[in-house]
Amino acid sequence: AQKVTQAQTEISVVEKEDVTLDCVYETRDTTYYLFWYKQPPSGELVFLIRRNSFDEQNEISGRYSWNFQKSTSSFNFTITASQVVDSAVYFCALFPLGTASKLTFGTGTRLQVTL
Amino acid sequence: EAGVAQSPRYKIIEKRQSVAFWCNPISGHATLYWYQQILGQGPKLLIQFQNNGVVDDSQLPKDRFSAERLKGVDSTLKIQPAKLEDSAVYLCASSLPGQENGYTFGSGTRLTVV
Repeated sequence: AQKVTQAQTEISVVEKEDVTLDCVYETRDTTYYLFWYKQPPSGELVFLIRRNSFDEQNEISGRYSWNFQKSTSSFNFTITASQVVDSAVYFCALFPLGTASKLTFGTGTRLQVTL
Repeated sequence: EAGVAQSPRYKIIEKRQSVAFWCNPISGHATLYWYQQILGQGPKLLIQFQNNGVVDDSQLPKDRFSAERLKGVDSTLKIQPAKLEDSAVYLCASSLPGQENGYTFGSGTRLTVV
């Protein structure tokens, strides 16, 4: 069975602070994909990044960066110099390429960025 | 390209009533998913279609929920009769073959059962 754990339920930061959202996953499959989605107050899920299990290279996209560590089954997401527009719920998700291939989400982390 | 369209945006019904949600996926996306997102939780897969066939409905409460995807394009999800615990956002998503490409989600339908 697969599982995604986002231990941080809610984080509140002041604008311009850096913030890291944690994600820990469990799967028996050796090949899988990890995702981060953003869910703003409007409700839709916005795709941010996909990472496959064979690519442990960290990625940076503007103010966003992701740290994938297979040894600790973690895929953490850092926002540098946070902005009010970053306020949303962020979901980590796992897609194992096995017999039970389906996208499994964590419970989400609500990020509140204030002025 | 146009996104995944869902309607209605909001729905309030009384328990024991029935309700239906509609989804129009991105053109060309063969795979369509319905997710249920209860407040404070992550989305949970209810049913997955590949074209007009069901791939996975293991978490669909079949005694009250049903879904269809006639002609392999639009899909409807129905709840009959609704219970209070069905209050949630119902998200539709679609993807190209090779599901690891990531899904495109609609804005969802927020259902409140009173």
